[in-house]
Amino acid sequence: SQQGEEDPQALSIQEGENATMNCSYKTSINNLQWYRQNSGRGLVHLILIRSNEREKHSGRLRVTLDTSKKSSSLLITASRAADTASYFCATGKGGGKLIFGQGTELSVKP
Amino acid sequence: EAQVTQNPRYLITVTGKKLTVTCSQNMNHEYMSWYRQDPGLGLRQIYYSMNVEVTDKGDVPEGYKVSRKEKRNFPLILESPSPNQTSLYFCASSRLAGSESYEQYFGPGTRLTVT
Repeated sequence: SQQGEEDPQALSIQEGENATMNCSYKTSINNLQWYRQNSGRGLVHLILIRSNEREKHSGRLRVTLDTSKKSSSLLITASRAADTASYFCATGKGGGKLIFGQGTELSVKP
Repeated sequence: EAQVTQNPRYLITVTGKKLTVTCSQNMNHEYMSWYRQDPGLGLRQIYYSMNVEVTDKGDVPEGYKVSRKEKRNFPLILESPSPNQTSLYFCASSRLAGSESYEQYFGPGTRLTVT
């Protein structure tokens, strides 16, 4: 079963603009993670936010988590062409299972 | 260099011919997992392992087997592959804190085609 659903499925912006991606999930979680994937390659971990946290920053990345709405957002500020990739959220409930969303394809045009 | 390796990277095989995809990590991680990625479906978890000799089913385990005899290795076995197992497969590993896995390190992927 798919836990995370991402929105939008595809996003196209100009270099320098901000990109926002959203993730919704259905059941309670222990943590939510965001990953990036470049064109069929392995996923790279970006950031993890725990269920008792509301916001987290890492460089140009800002993640928020609203457990009451069962949703999270990933904001990439001042985007660059190198940020072009697919972005996935993944929810962890403990016990080893990690469920990924279908991803958002981000295209940053120079 | 910390990494997860998978072999082979590409494989074309025929229906019913048993195959094994190997996965190895050098980070002493307790947790390892296999995923398949299909267009429009994202990543789906096949099996995972919390430690040596401890494995459990993910969301799509049918048609797959795994084993965890050593901490560093977690092979994926397809006893009788079928065309619907044509996919891109990823192995990942992570440290554990209690029963919770953390950031996962992914291998480069294995593209499998079953004809």
